[in-house]
Amino acid sequence: SAVISQKPSRDICQRGTSLTIQCQVDSQVTMMFWYRQQPGQSLTLIATANQGSEATYESGFVIDKFPISRPNLTFSTLTVSNMSPEDSSIYLCSVLTGTYEQYFGPGTRLTVT
Amino acid sequence: GENVEQHPSTLSVQEGDSAVIKCTYSDSASNYFPWYKQELGKRPQLIIDIRSNVGEKKDQRIAVTLNKTAKHFSLHITETQPEDSAVYFCAARLGNTPLVFGKGTRLSVIA
Repeated sequence: SAVISQKPSRDICQRGTSLTIQCQVDSQVTMMFWYRQQPGQSLTLIATANQGSEATYESGFVIDKFPISRPNLTFSTLTVSNMSPEDSSIYLCSVLTGTYEQYFGPGTRLTVT
Repeated sequence: GENVEQHPSTLSVQEGDSAVIKCTYSDSASNYFPWYKQELGKRPQLIIDIRSNVGEKKDQRIAVTLNKTAKHFSLHITETQPEDSAVYFCAARLGNTPLVFGKGTRLSVIA
């Protein structure tokens, strides 16, 4: 398995501002992903964080709104830019291990007012 | 791309009874099928998985079956306990592509 931490665990932000979420893994992993989970809903993939290159975004998500960095094999950041109340959600980092199992971080609960 | 359908959306069982959750997938090339349990306010936890070269896998009270021909897989929980109450998600994937999730099943075990 993998031990994954995320910072912050929660935040309340004003509309129009940006928040950067950090994800740290205790070991080198094959791939890192960012998901969003609305209350009572399933997990929606935002993007795959690629080390040393631009992230791969899913339909409906764009780099200007959700810039992602992955400077090395154990760390990634997701920024939620120019926030609106519709961005209120839980954001989860996820990693794919060498045995192809996928694990999730504890999540960041974001509220935009 | 892959699409995963999950049924039922809610399930209530008496403690000690069995629970079955079913999922179907659309991409016949998918080869990895995990199940996650998510308790309220917690992260999704991987509880069991199955790969396409296996038809069934068990871990104590939990089992997963896979029918590649019909493109469906199921989670079976026997002798359910109140602590099994949670939302369960199935997912599917090909290789190292990201998981695609079903919409989830809210399981309630009534004592």
